[in-house]
Amino acid sequence: SQQGEEDPQALSIQEGENATMNCSYKTSINNLQWYRQNSGRGLVHLILIRSNEREKHSGRLRVTLDTSKKSSSLLITASRAADTASYFCATALDGGATNKLIFGTGTLLAVQP
Amino acid sequence: DTGVSQDPRHKITKRGQNVTFRCDPISEHNRLYWYRQTLGQGPEFLTYFQNEAQLEKSRLLSDRFSAERPKGSFSTLEIQRTEQGDSAMYLCASSARQGPYEQYFGPGTRLTVT
Repeated sequence: SQQGEEDPQALSIQEGENATMNCSYKTSINNLQWYRQNSGRGLVHLILIRSNEREKHSGRLRVTLDTSKKSSSLLITASRAADTASYFCATALDGGATNKLIFGTGTLLAVQP
Repeated sequence: DTGVSQDPRHKITKRGQNVTFRCDPISEHNRLYWYRQTLGQGPEFLTYFQNEAQLEKSRLLSDRFSAERPKGSFSTLEIQRTEQGDSAMYLCASSARQGPYEQYFGPGTRLTVT
């Protein structure tokens, strides 16, 4: 079963605008990761944030984590048409020995040129 | 390219047939995962190997499913007596021995059961 949900389910923006996606989860986590999946392709790891971190940056990506609210957000700045993809958050549970990932339902982002 | 590879990329089979998929992880990674993804959903965990040992299996993995990782290198996932509900994308991922354990995914095998 899915760990949580992402919001919105779909998002359409113009090139150059910022895109924000939110993720909620249910249980205590060790870390939270964001992945991108282009149509028909595999998942690409974007960024990992540990449970003791609150914010992390990587290029045009900014991730925040609020463990008290069990939520995370992914901000993509200055979006490009190539950012069009599905974005998934995935959590690795606290105390889990395997570090298996539990994925959310995904946000489908469409960036219009 | 030294990423995770999967074979075949597509498989069409008739209900009741057996199928086997292969995953080759990144060579220095000792952790290997199988996930299943259906249309419009996020991937769901199936099973995990650390080296050659299968340490966790999801309840999604019925008796018809079996996975192996001989010698801790490549892995195979076999589905016996396939059912239409098995139609999905089967994803393999690997991660390094040491944390923080980001996972690197292969392109997946898309299974269609007719």
